[in-house]
Amino acid sequence: QIHLQESGPGLVKPSETLSLTCTVSGWSVSADYWNWIRQPAGAGLEWMGRIYPPGTTYIHPSLQSRLTMSLDKSKNQISLRLTSVTAADTGFYFCARGSTNSFDIWGLGTMVTVSS
Amino acid sequence: DTQMTQSPSSLSASVGDRVTITCRASQDISGYLNWYQLRPGKAPQRLIYGATSLHGTVSSRFSGSESGTEFTLTISSLQPEDVATYYCQQSYDFPWTFGQGTKVEIK
Repeated sequence: QIHLQESGPGLVKPSETLSLTCTVSGWSVSADYWNWIRQPAGAGLEWMGRIYPPGTTYIHPSLQSRLTMSLDKSKNQISLRLTSVTAADTGFYFCARGSTNSFDIWGLGTMVTVSS
Repeated sequence: DTQMTQSPSSLSASVGDRVTITCRASQDISGYLNWYQLRPGKAPQRLIYGATSLHGTVSSRFSGSESGTEFTLTISSLQPEDVATYYCQQSYDFPWTFGQGTKVEIK
């Protein structure tokens, strides 16, 4: 059974960098592409970007200057790094596997609050 | 960006009712349309991909259809476990975009 689990700090100060990790079990991160999706507080879903082996990324244009994604095959993890965060970055963050031009398996998500 | 307009934003229906949610794309997306279910405390679930294909583990009371740039998710007989927020999403062009969501409740 494929399982995705997001992890992160929970609380980040404004202007600092948010780092999240998605640990994949039951499947190799080398075998597909992987996505980050977020749900800002009180809003709908926003696709942030995707990464596929060996590390090619497509980042949402609105986040290109702040977002990087990486893939660690040895740990079977995908990572997200979002710089210069503001309150607008508060919300739930999900990782999801990409398949048949959709997100077929998701993690539970992790809540991130940007506050001093 | 391709805009996805979803309606209604919320609905309340009785158990056993037929429920329909609509999503309209701002341009032709050639059927690259997916539907997801989000319930608090649970991982989001893909319901439909490619406009009409049912995800393997999802109940057959869920179905998808398309007509041009208009897409519909139908729940044939609403059940208590269907209380959730539903989102459409286009994967025709980047950046992939979602509809605004439809919150479904039981009357």
